[in-house]
Amino acid sequence: GAGVSQSPRYKVTKRGQDVALRCDPISGHVSLYWYRQALGQGPEFLTYFNYEAQQDKSGLPNDRFSAERPEGSISTLTIQRTEQRDSAMYRCASSYRSAGGGNTIYFGEGSWLTVV
Amino acid sequence: AQTVTQSQPEMSVQEAETVTLSCTYDTSESDYYLFWYKQPPSRQMILVIRQEAYKQQNATENRFSVNFQKAAKSFSLKISDSQLGDAAMYFCAYRSARTQGGSEKLVFGKGTKLTVNP
Repeated sequence: GAGVSQSPRYKVTKRGQDVALRCDPISGHVSLYWYRQALGQGPEFLTYFNYEAQQDKSGLPNDRFSAERPEGSISTLTIQRTEQRDSAMYRCASSYRSAGGGNTIYFGEGSWLTVV
Repeated sequence: AQTVTQSQPEMSVQEAETVTLSCTYDTSESDYYLFWYKQPPSRQMILVIRQEAYKQQNATENRFSVNFQKAAKSFSLKISDSQLGDAAMYFCAYRSARTQGGSEKLVFGKGTKLTVNP
């Protein structure tokens, strides 16, 4: 696609429910990133993939959070047993290649999650 | 771990004037990249400008330029001839340039909200 696509754009869920957020990166992009952004804060790194391999998951806050990218394209971020503190925008990003760190990262428009 | 600090939560500027947004960072690495991202009310994240740490020359993109002071670990953004469309949150970000053992993640500051007054 033309840009990084995320769905759903808005999700309201009850505390204790599981949610799955989907990211479709720009076609051909090797690297995929997940960030979380609370209101009034900068994006906070969660995890990233090169192809299907999860390279760094150091930013996942606890074991209720997991992510996968089984075929090296679309990725899903899953939050189990949601809590109110999980409410935030979850933003996906992708880049063409990962080596060197200087590649432009393109961000999606984010998925707003509200846990009530 | 690297950190990025934006000490100005809010700034304002008159249309057509110039404004400078501050950013400092902390790192023990010598090779890295620095970025400024713009987040308008639509909540998109738009890359404004980037700087490679090994380059002494400050990056410029039309009305946007940076003042990169590597020794001081300072990376400020100057917006010239400010326009109403420049109103947004601006985030400074750091990324390691290491190809082996380095992290791919962007580390962001907390942002500066820029208001442009007509």
